Amino acid sequence: QQPVQSPQAVILREGEDAVINCSSSKALYSVHWYRQKHGEAPVFLMILLKGGEQKGHDKISASFNEKKQQSSLYLTASQLSYSGTYFCGTEMKGSGGSNYKLTFGKGTLLTVNP
Amino acid sequence: SQTIHQWPATLVQPVGSPLSLECTVEGTSNPNLYWYRQAAGRGLQLLFYSVGIGQISSEVPQNLSASRPQDRQFILSSKKLLLSDSGFYLCAWARVGGYTFGSGTRLTVV
Repeated sequence: QQPVQSPQAVILREGEDAVINCSSSKALYSVHWYRQKHGEAPVFLMILLKGGEQKGHDKISASFNEKKQQSSLYLTASQLSYSGTYFCGTEMKGSGGSNYKLTFGKGTLLTVNP
Repeated sequence: SQTIHQWPATLVQPVGSPLSLECTVEGTSNPNLYWYRQAAGRGLQLLFYSVGIGQISSEVPQNLSASRPQDRQFILSSKKLLLSDSGFYLCAWARVGGYTFGSGTRLTVV
């Protein structure tokens, strides 16, 4: 039931764009995105609850394709501060309500260089 | 204000010794609480979750146990640590719209 993230790692130069994908073999209730800096706890970025929903703030946005059981995180005009490991967390349909239990992918290591 | 506290921040314990990690939440009632473990360079593995006092669900069979003695307190324990128990332990709280993680405990079993 663990979602699959791709790519495993990506290296960017400042100002470049990146897309991180998250896919599940099960029907999804919600998808969360988190960023973790080295040695720190993950920090919540956004949650997507409805199929086709797109959210974003600053230059980071995400989409959720409920039919394909996939979500993508878009980072545009990347900044040095975007570096870190990005995790998607998925909640399965029928699991009992929102935020009941999240299963995380293995993460995508994003490195932004000057 | 709503906050989550986790301690200790780091811990070095010998094999076979007991373990107790504590997590507390402030500013809310009846929170859903979670314990995750992250091995070096790996993803987040859900260990236990609790939706109320005394209610514990275990996700993987292992050398650890969890307890929820009070509404806003979640404890992770072990009677005898193994080398494989080393890792970064994170307590999480399910808030409306996402999880908030504690600052984590880095456990090294030697």
